[in-house]
Amino acid sequence: DAKTTQPNSMESNEEEPVHLPCNHSTISGTDYIHWYRQLPSQGPEYVIHGLTSNVNNRMASLAIAEDRKSSTLILHRATLRDAAVYYCILREILWGNFNKFYFGSGTKLNVKP
Amino acid sequence: DAGITQSPRHKVTETGTPVTLRCHQTENHRYMYWYRQDPGHGLRLIHYSYGVKDTDKGEVSDGYSVSRSKTEDFLLTLESATSSQTSVYFCAISASGVGADIQYFGAGTRLSVL
Repeated sequence: DAKTTQPNSMESNEEEPVHLPCNHSTISGTDYIHWYRQLPSQGPEYVIHGLTSNVNNRMASLAIAEDRKSSTLILHRATLRDAAVYYCILREILWGNFNKFYFGSGTKLNVKP
Repeated sequence: DAGITQSPRHKVTETGTPVTLRCHQTENHRYMYWYRQDPGHGLRLIHYSYGVKDTDKGEVSDGYSVSRSKTEDFLLTLESATSSQTSVYFCAISASGVGADIQYFGAGTRLSVL
């Protein structure tokens, strides 16, 4: 069973904020929440990650629920180049620095001009 | 790009033939991974490596084998390709020290088994 659940698709208007939701109700206390995105014909690329606190970087913001069972990726001003499939992922730390990533099926974001 | 090259980028083969996909990295990262991507499933882990000659199975390893004889190369082999192995295959790498929490992906290999 998938560890994360996301809507199949979402649509946004250019230059408006986008909130991409993710449910991960079975998350363990040590799992990190990652978001990657995949542009057409490319491999996934890192967007942002966090454990408990909200996180911001130049690409996006990550809001994590207090119980950690859900999170939201926020793109503050969507551009046409943000049209991609966005994956919410749980990262399990197995040993040392070795990590396993559990991908969901992703949300396809369509941005309208 | 994170210095990851996958080859070939596209391959068409027939059922029952062996196929080897190559992942080459120039980052000297310790950990390497092979995923497959199918519609509705996101990415699923096939095999991974935590060092030269150290590999282990992921969640969908049946029908696949891997080898890592050098830090920079991770090979994925389909011993006898089946139509169910038609997919897009991605290689990923991650470091063992600073930056260990991020995986970097190659551009993918599209494999069609007829």
